[in-house]
Amino acid sequence: EIVLTQSPGTLSLSPGERATLSCRASQTVRNSYLAWYQRKPGQAPRLLIYDSFRRATGIPDRFSGSGSGTDFTLTISRLEPEDFAVYYCQQYGNSPAAFGQGTTVEIK
Amino acid sequence: EVQLVESGGGLVQPGGSLRLSCAASGFTFSAYDMHWVRQGTGKGLEWVSGVNSVGDPYYSDSVKGRFTISRQNAKNSLYLQMNSLRAGDTALYYCARAPEPDPDYFHFDLWGRGTLVTVSS
Repeated sequence: EIVLTQSPGTLSLSPGERATLSCRASQTVRNSYLAWYQRKPGQAPRLLIYDSFRRATGIPDRFSGSGSGTDFTLTISRLEPEDFAVYYCQQYGNSPAAFGQGTTVEIK
Repeated sequence: EVQLVESGGGLVQPGGSLRLSCAASGFTFSAYDMHWVRQGTGKGLEWVSGVNSVGDPYYSDSVKGRFTISRQNAKNSLYLQMNSLRAGDTALYYCARAPEPDPDYFHFDLWGRGTLVTVSS
């Protein structure tokens, strides 16, 4: 079973800054089947990125995903006020699917 | 509007049962595999169970034998019957849609807001 470790646990940044979130897998993720989700309090989680780099429908291009093997990154090029949230990665290349514990992006 | 709305959560004693529902709207529900994902307080997200478009279920090891997933395509609804509940089942339960049909390799392109299940005496 793959374990995903996200870092940092909390990222304190200002609007306009660049955010770089890491997701590291304990084993190679087959086919780079990795997704990123955003969750805000009281809202449904939202799919941002799938297949490690493909943006989901309606996701702004300031969000980008990269990586392969065991190391994956979500980058938010310039933080907007609505981007402050918790972000989760999920691998689905190996069964069972597994999620990381999340990175909180908070306003500095 | 494309959405999923969960209901049925609440407080239940250990050993008790609860049935969650998920109402889908705005898309062809019958065409998609559907899932339940949960998050306990202070814990990460955990996949619980899924069902394909024709009703074949699959479960995580942590709930196998205790939970039953089902769907009624005519009612655009997904269900999770939870029996023999334990304190460790306390969580926010999300209904989620998988964009590609696959019982082993799935991610989720649509989620609900969740319904809270608390197992406590």
